[in-house]
Amino acid sequence: AQSVTQLGSHVSVSEGALVLLRCNYSSSVPPYLFWYVQYPNQGLQLLLKYTSAATLVKGINGFEAEFKKSETSFHLTKPSAHMSDAAEYFCAVSGPLEGAQKLVFGQGTRLTINP
Amino acid sequence: KAGVTQTPRYLIKTRGQQVTLSCSPISGHRSVSWYQQTPGQGLQFLFEYFSETQRNKGNFPGRFSGRQFSNSRSEMNVSTLELGDSALYLCASSADRKVAFGSGTRLTVV
Repeated sequence: AQSVTQLGSHVSVSEGALVLLRCNYSSSVPPYLFWYVQYPNQGLQLLLKYTSAATLVKGINGFEAEFKKSETSFHLTKPSAHMSDAAEYFCAVSGPLEGAQKLVFGQGTRLTINP
Repeated sequence: KAGVTQTPRYLIKTRGQQVTLSCSPISGHRSVSWYQQTPGQGLQFLFEYFSETQRNKGNFPGRFSGRQFSNSRSEMNVSTLELGDSALYLCASSADRKVAFGSGTRLTVV
């Protein structure tokens, strides 16, 4: 069984500050890990994914995440927040058999950017 | 390349009715997954279809069903609607480990 825990349902940072959204996973098989962003009244947009290649994954819009097996973590970071980053972010896990077809999501973190 | 298209975008139904939601995947994507998003339960996997066969299923009652057609388009049906079925229903299509989500259908049950 797989699960994801996102620490902090709400995160608020100032424009230009570091963004750090935390995600811990549990998986009995080597995990595939994903970060998605959701803007109001829209679907999910893939930011980045880890599928057992490089542990540091770079995504779109300046985001990146590092897979740390020893800590079962996959935290999302961005060096400098922009107002347009305000949205809800979801971490998700799946197994190698399911790939992207069956995702288990965390509860989400709402990111607010203060001017 | 057109994205994943879900219709309708918004729907209001009465308790006890049934509803059918439609999803057209990206051309060439043969896998279609459905998710339910609610404020209380978050994003939950409903089921996945591949080549007209249900390949994975989440923990939802039998009132939730789906199907996939030969052109990979998929529909999900919810019968005997309950107030708790009010949610955003998201469809995702995937191929070769690439996945894309539609904008969803927001269902309100009154």
